Amino acid sequence: EPEVTQTPSHQVTQMGQEVILRCVPISNHLYFYWYRQILGQKVEFLVSFYNNEISEKSEIFDDQFSVERPDGSNFTLKIRSTKLEDSAMYFCASMELTGANVLTFGAGSRLTVL
Amino acid sequence: GESVGLHLPTLSVQEGDNSIINCAYSNSASDYFIWYKQESGKGPQFIIDIRSNMDKRQGQRVTVLLNKTVKHLSLQIAATQPGDSAVYFCAESNFSGTYKYIFGTGTRLKVLA
Repeated sequence: EPEVTQTPSHQVTQMGQEVILRCVPISNHLYFYWYRQILGQKVEFLVSFYNNEISEKSEIFDDQFSVERPDGSNFTLKIRSTKLEDSAMYFCASMELTGANVLTFGAGSRLTVL
Repeated sequence: GESVGLHLPTLSVQEGDNSIINCAYSNSASDYFIWYKQESGKGPQFIIDIRSNMDKRQGQRVTVLLNKTVKHLSLQIAATQPGDSAVYFCAESNFSGTYKYIFGTGTRLKVLA
């Protein structure tokens, strides 16, 4: 079964450092997403991406964050100058758009900011 | 019964009993709903979906009920098994908008042997 893959599974970084989280969406999917989940809390929408541009972003997704699809397969989330409160699980998801429109999630990248 | 934990409401059920997990959604314009299951350390996994033109949909051991009048969604799990222990989230979307899915708070289901 096709799956969304994310790397790294866990990253520890110092406050103020830049972090790049990587995702390989399912190959025939057209819509891509990043979500965040702080420990024990709900899954929060960060950004959606379609046709090589941001479709929508939440209030959380400020200038500290950026997304990119540098090639035909990868979808990245960059966090500049990380803060302690950025510590969370970051989930990438993709959607086919022409089919059932179900979001398929990756296993997540745990970010710990010290 | 249900209890409110530190972070998530928790539902404890005996193995073999039926479980009912509830969700109140926020946007009356939402027209598509999904239930996700999240096991510890994993990403959310699709369980079942329903469109706003339906009020009930059944899958294998799971049924979703939609009440648009009161903006309420429920997930029924028949003959609950230990493998059903997880956190369950409902997600809503408005496909006339931007395909953004908004997740509910989540409910932790604990299956007691």
